[in-house]
Amino acid sequence: DTAVSQTPKYLVTQMGNDKSIKCEQNLGHDTMYWYKQDSKKFLKIMFSYNNKELIINETVPNRFSPKSPDKAHLNLHINSLELGDSAVYFCASSHWGAKETQYFGPGTRLLVL
Amino acid sequence: AQSVTQLDSQVPVFEEAPVELRCNYSSSVSVYLFWYVQYPNQGLQLLLKYLSGSTLVKGINGFEAEFNKSQTSFHLRKPSVHISDTAEYFCAVSDLKYGNKLVFGAGTILRVKS
Repeated sequence: DTAVSQTPKYLVTQMGNDKSIKCEQNLGHDTMYWYKQDSKKFLKIMFSYNNKELIINETVPNRFSPKSPDKAHLNLHINSLELGDSAVYFCASSHWGAKETQYFGPGTRLLVL
Repeated sequence: AQSVTQLDSQVPVFEEAPVELRCNYSSSVSVYLFWYVQYPNQGLQLLLKYLSGSTLVKGINGFEAEFNKSQTSFHLRKPSVHISDTAEYFCAVSDLKYGNKLVFGAGTILRVKS
Protein backbone atom coordinates (compact mmCIF):
# COMPACT_ATOMS: atom_id res chain seq x y z
CA ASP A 1 0.00 0.00 0.00
CA THR A 2 2.97 2.30 -0.70
CA ALA A 3 1.75 5.76 -1.69
CA VAL A 4 4.62 6.83 -3.96
CA SER A 5 7.03 4.14 -5.10
CA GLN A 6 10.20 4.33 -7.17
CA THR A 7 12.31 1.71 -8.87
CA PRO A 8 15.10 1.00 -8.66
CA LYS A 9 16.17 2.07 -5.18
CA TYR A 10 19.86 2.00 -6.11
CA LEU A 11 21.46 2.43 -9.50
CA VAL A 12 25.21 2.14 -10.16
CA THR A 13 26.32 2.65 -13.74
CA GLN A 14 29.15 3.80 -15.96
CA MET A 15 29.54 7.19 -17.59
CA GLY A 16 27.93 7.36 -20.98
CA ASN A 17 25.22 4.81 -20.25
CA ASP A 18 21.47 5.44 -20.51
CA LYS A 19 19.20 4.61 -17.57
CA SER A 20 15.59 4.99 -16.50
CA ILE A 21 13.90 5.48 -13.14
CA LYS A 22 10.23 4.66 -12.71
CA CYS A 23 7.70 6.25 -10.36
CA GLU A 24 4.15 5.27 -9.51
CA GLN A 25 1.62 6.82 -7.13
CA ASN A 26 -1.64 5.33 -5.88
CA LEU A 27 -2.96 8.48 -4.18
CA GLY A 28 -5.21 9.60 -7.02
CA HIS A 29 -3.14 12.74 -7.55
CA ASP A 30 -3.07 14.60 -10.86
CA THR A 31 0.39 16.16 -10.52
CA MET A 32 3.79 14.46 -10.30
CA TYR A 33 7.32 15.74 -9.92
CA TRP A 34 10.98 14.83 -10.15
CA TYR A 35 13.45 16.37 -7.72
CA LYS A 36 17.24 16.04 -7.55
CA GLN A 37 19.01 16.01 -4.18
CA ASP A 38 22.74 16.59 -4.52
CA SER A 39 25.56 15.48 -2.24
CA LYS A 40 25.00 18.51 0.01
CA LYS A 41 21.36 17.48 0.43
CA PHE A 42 20.12 20.49 -1.57
CA LEU A 43 16.76 19.61 -3.11
CA LYS A 44 15.73 21.16 -6.43
CA ILE A 45 12.76 20.55 -8.66
CA MET A 46 13.50 19.25 -12.15
CA PHE A 47 10.11 18.60 -13.73
CA SER A 48 6.43 18.71 -12.94
CA TYR A 49 3.56 17.09 -14.85
CA ASN A 50 -0.14 17.80 -14.44
CA ASN A 51 -2.56 15.38 -16.10
CA LYS A 52 0.30 14.08 -18.26
CA GLU A 53 1.20 17.59 -19.43
CA LEU A 54 4.64 19.09 -18.70
CA ILE A 55 4.18 22.15 -16.47
CA ILE A 56 7.61 22.83 -14.97
CA ASN A 57 10.95 22.24 -16.68
CA GLU A 58 13.73 23.77 -14.62
CA THR A 59 16.74 24.33 -16.90
CA VAL A 60 17.58 20.66 -16.85
CA PRO A 61 19.95 19.33 -19.56
CA ASN A 62 18.03 17.74 -22.38
CA ARG A 63 19.76 14.45 -21.61
CA PHE A 64 16.98 14.16 -19.01
CA SER A 65 13.60 13.27 -20.48
CA PRO A 66 10.54 12.68 -18.33
CA LYS A 67 7.61 10.67 -19.63
CA SER A 68 4.16 10.40 -18.14
CA PRO A 69 2.18 7.53 -19.70
CA ASP A 70 -0.77 8.24 -17.38
CA LYS A 71 -1.57 10.31 -14.30
CA ALA A 72 -0.27 7.64 -11.92
CA HIS A 73 3.17 7.22 -13.51
CA LEU A 74 6.10 9.51 -14.20
CA ASN A 75 9.33 8.02 -15.48
CA LEU A 76 12.72 9.68 -15.89
CA HIS A 77 15.10 8.65 -18.64
CA ILE A 78 18.68 9.89 -18.58
CA ASN A 79 20.93 9.65 -21.65
CA SER A 80 24.72 9.72 -21.70
CA LEU A 81 25.15 9.75 -17.95
CA GLU A 82 27.82 12.03 -16.50
CA LEU A 83 29.62 11.98 -13.15
CA GLY A 84 27.68 15.07 -12.06
CA ASP A 85 24.40 13.19 -12.42
CA SER A 86 25.24 11.22 -9.28
CA ALA A 87 22.56 12.20 -6.77
CA VAL A 88 19.37 11.01 -5.14
CA TYR A 89 16.33 11.46 -7.36
CA PHE A 90 12.96 11.81 -5.66
CA CYS A 91 9.57 11.44 -7.24
CA ALA A 92 6.62 13.21 -5.61
CA SER A 93 2.93 13.66 -6.26
CA SER A 94 0.12 15.97 -5.17
CA HIS A 95 -3.20 17.44 -6.18
CA TRP A 96 -2.80 20.49 -8.39
CA GLY A 97 -2.34 23.77 -6.47
CA ALA A 98 0.28 25.73 -4.57
CA LYS A 99 -1.36 24.87 -1.22
CA GLU A 100 -1.18 21.14 -1.76
CA THR A 101 1.11 18.82 0.16
CA GLN A 102 3.58 16.95 -1.99
CA TYR A 103 4.11 13.28 -1.08
CA PHE A 104 7.59 11.95 -1.73
CA GLY A 105 8.84 8.56 -2.76
CA PRO A 106 11.79 6.87 -1.02
CA GLY A 107 14.32 8.07 -3.60
CA THR A 108 16.62 6.46 -6.15
CA ARG A 109 20.31 6.68 -5.35
CA LEU A 110 22.21 7.04 -8.63
CA LEU A 111 25.97 6.64 -8.71
CA VAL A 112 27.77 7.24 -11.98
CA LEU A 113 31.31 5.83 -12.13
CA ALA B 1 11.57 34.77 -7.45
CA GLN B 2 11.06 32.69 -4.36
CA SER B 3 13.92 31.75 -2.08
CA VAL B 4 14.32 30.13 1.33
CA THR B 5 17.18 30.55 3.78
CA GLN B 6 17.69 28.15 6.63
CA LEU B 7 20.03 29.94 8.94
CA ASP B 8 21.61 26.93 10.64
CA SER B 9 23.11 23.99 8.79
CA GLN B 10 23.34 21.91 11.98
CA VAL B 11 21.70 22.21 15.39
CA PRO B 12 22.96 19.96 18.19
CA VAL B 13 20.71 19.68 21.22
CA PHE B 14 20.35 17.44 24.25
CA GLU B 15 17.37 15.15 24.64
CA GLU B 16 14.34 16.79 26.32
CA ALA B 17 15.67 20.30 25.56
CA PRO B 18 13.67 22.75 23.43
CA VAL B 19 14.75 23.48 19.89
CA GLU B 20 14.12 26.11 17.23
CA LEU B 21 15.06 25.70 13.58
CA ARG B 22 15.07 28.99 11.71
CA CYS B 23 13.69 29.68 8.27
CA ASN B 24 13.39 32.93 6.33
CA TYR B 25 11.80 33.28 2.91
CA SER B 26 11.47 35.83 0.17
CA SER B 27 8.64 36.06 -2.29
CA SER B 28 6.87 38.86 -4.08
CA VAL B 29 3.37 37.54 -3.41
CA SER B 30 1.42 35.74 -0.73
CA VAL B 31 3.11 32.49 0.19
CA TYR B 32 2.40 29.03 1.49
CA LEU B 33 5.06 27.62 3.79
CA PHE B 34 5.98 24.04 4.58
CA TRP B 35 8.31 22.10 6.86
CA TYR B 36 9.38 18.64 5.76
CA VAL B 37 11.49 16.09 7.64
CA GLN B 38 13.89 13.60 6.07
CA TYR B 39 15.09 10.66 8.14
CA PRO B 40 18.32 8.95 6.98
CA ASN B 41 17.94 7.19 3.63
CA GLN B 42 14.27 8.04 3.35
CA GLY B 43 12.05 10.40 1.40
CA LEU B 44 10.60 13.63 2.75
CA GLN B 45 7.54 13.70 4.99
CA LEU B 46 5.38 16.73 5.73
CA LEU B 47 5.60 18.01 9.31
CA LEU B 48 3.26 20.99 8.95
CA LYS B 49 2.22 23.77 6.62
CA TYR B 50 0.93 27.32 6.77
CA LEU B 51 -1.72 28.32 4.26
CA SER B 52 -3.66 31.15 5.95
CA GLY B 53 -5.36 32.09 9.20
CA SER B 54 -3.73 31.50 12.56
CA THR B 55 -0.01 32.19 12.42
CA LEU B 56 0.77 29.35 14.83
CA VAL B 57 0.62 26.02 13.07
CA LYS B 58 0.79 22.68 14.83
CA GLY B 59 2.14 19.59 13.11
CA ILE B 60 2.99 15.99 13.74
CA ASN B 61 5.37 14.67 16.40
CA GLY B 62 4.84 17.70 18.67
CA PHE B 63 6.33 20.25 16.28
CA GLU B 64 4.87 23.70 15.68
CA ALA B 65 5.83 26.72 13.61
CA GLU B 66 5.00 30.39 13.64
CA PHE B 67 4.45 32.45 10.51
CA ASN B 68 5.72 36.02 10.86
CA LYS B 69 4.90 38.08 7.78
CA SER B 70 6.76 41.23 8.86
CA GLN B 71 9.96 39.28 9.46
CA THR B 72 9.31 36.88 6.55
CA SER B 73 10.05 33.97 8.85
CA PHE B 74 8.59 30.55 9.55
CA HIS B 75 10.60 29.09 12.42
CA LEU B 76 10.02 25.51 13.59
CA ARG B 77 9.93 24.69 17.29
CA LYS B 78 9.57 21.75 19.62
CA PRO B 79 9.47 22.17 23.42
CA SER B 80 11.17 18.86 24.20
CA VAL B 81 13.06 16.79 21.63
CA HIS B 82 13.63 13.04 21.53
CA ILE B 83 16.50 11.03 20.10
CA SER B 84 14.10 9.92 17.36
CA ASP B 85 13.82 13.55 16.15
CA THR B 86 17.37 13.32 14.78
CA ALA B 87 16.87 14.03 11.07
CA GLU B 88 17.24 16.74 8.45
CA TYR B 89 14.54 19.38 8.30
CA PHE B 90 13.65 21.35 5.19
CA CYS B 91 11.69 24.57 4.97
CA ALA B 92 9.92 25.21 1.65
CA VAL B 93 7.79 27.89 0.01
CA SER B 94 5.27 27.97 -2.80
CA ASP B 95 3.07 30.76 -4.09
CA LEU B 96 0.22 31.35 -6.50
CA LYS B 97 2.47 32.97 -9.08
CA TYR B 98 4.57 29.84 -9.55
CA GLY B 99 1.81 27.28 -9.07
CA ASN B 100 2.98 23.96 -7.75
CA LYS B 101 6.67 24.88 -7.71
CA LEU B 102 8.06 24.17 -4.25
CA VAL B 103 11.37 25.88 -3.43
CA PHE B 104 13.38 24.32 -0.62
CA GLY B 105 15.94 25.68 1.78
CA ALA B 106 19.31 23.98 2.17
CA GLY B 107 18.15 21.97 5.19
CA THR B 108 19.05 21.90 8.87
CA ILE B 109 20.40 18.75 10.48
CA LEU B 110 18.99 18.31 13.97
CA ARG B 111 21.22 16.12 16.13
CA VAL B 112 19.69 15.07 19.42
CA LYS B 113 22.19 13.80 21.97
CA SER B 114 21.50 11.78 25.11
